[in-house]
Amino acid sequence: GEDVEQSLFLSVREGDSSVINCTYTDSSSTYLYWYKQEPGAGLQLLTYIFSNMDMKQDQRLTVLLNKKDKHLSLRIADTQTGDSAIYFCAEGDNDYKLSFGAGTTVTVRA
Amino acid sequence: NAGVTQTPKFRILKIGQSMTLQCAQDMNHNYMYWYRQDPGMGLKLIYYSVGAGITDKGEVPNGYNVSRSTTEDFPLRLELAAPSQTSVYFCASSAGGIEQFFGPGTRLTVL
Repeated sequence: GEDVEQSLFLSVREGDSSVINCTYTDSSSTYLYWYKQEPGAGLQLLTYIFSNMDMKQDQRLTVLLNKKDKHLSLRIADTQTGDSAIYFCAEGDNDYKLSFGAGTTVTVRA
Repeated sequence: NAGVTQTPKFRILKIGQSMTLQCAQDMNHNYMYWYRQDPGMGLKLIYYSVGAGITDKGEVPNGYNVSRSTTEDFPLRLELAAPSQTSVYFCASSAGGIEQFFGPGTRLTVL
């Protein structure tokens, strides 16, 4: 499988912005994704970006893609306690098979 | 709609035992997937299916088997359980588009 790497932990104060970073190796990836996993639950798609885009904004979420450096980031504005979760970066091919990173555990402190 | 359901939620197996993890979806999705999630690791694809009667190996298929006789069901079979198969197993389905819908997972321990 292809390698997707992301930092393991992030602690952020409530109201601040969170930035989660990810690097991937497969230059032929068609889509790049961010999934959220809350304790004891399955993964839920948060947002995605086509590989020919460099930015996507969706309410409090901003995804930046640097295809040259194979770097993806997710910014969460005005982070809330409900944003505490594990965030997975993933890359997908044309058959929508996904390769996931290990996940970044985001802890929001009051 | 129940979405993607998985049974059981938890299971403890002895080495060498076999079991079937059940997965069902009620969204009429053609694509279904099985992943395993080891502690501190990302999900790894075990097997996937693009429609009834069609299955294919993913990244880590050894020790597992699948079948897809209906659109709704995609069971995962472990024939001879080994401690290395201790993991959380997730089933997912997709209409063949961008989003995969995940079940709640089955936590399996092999002792």
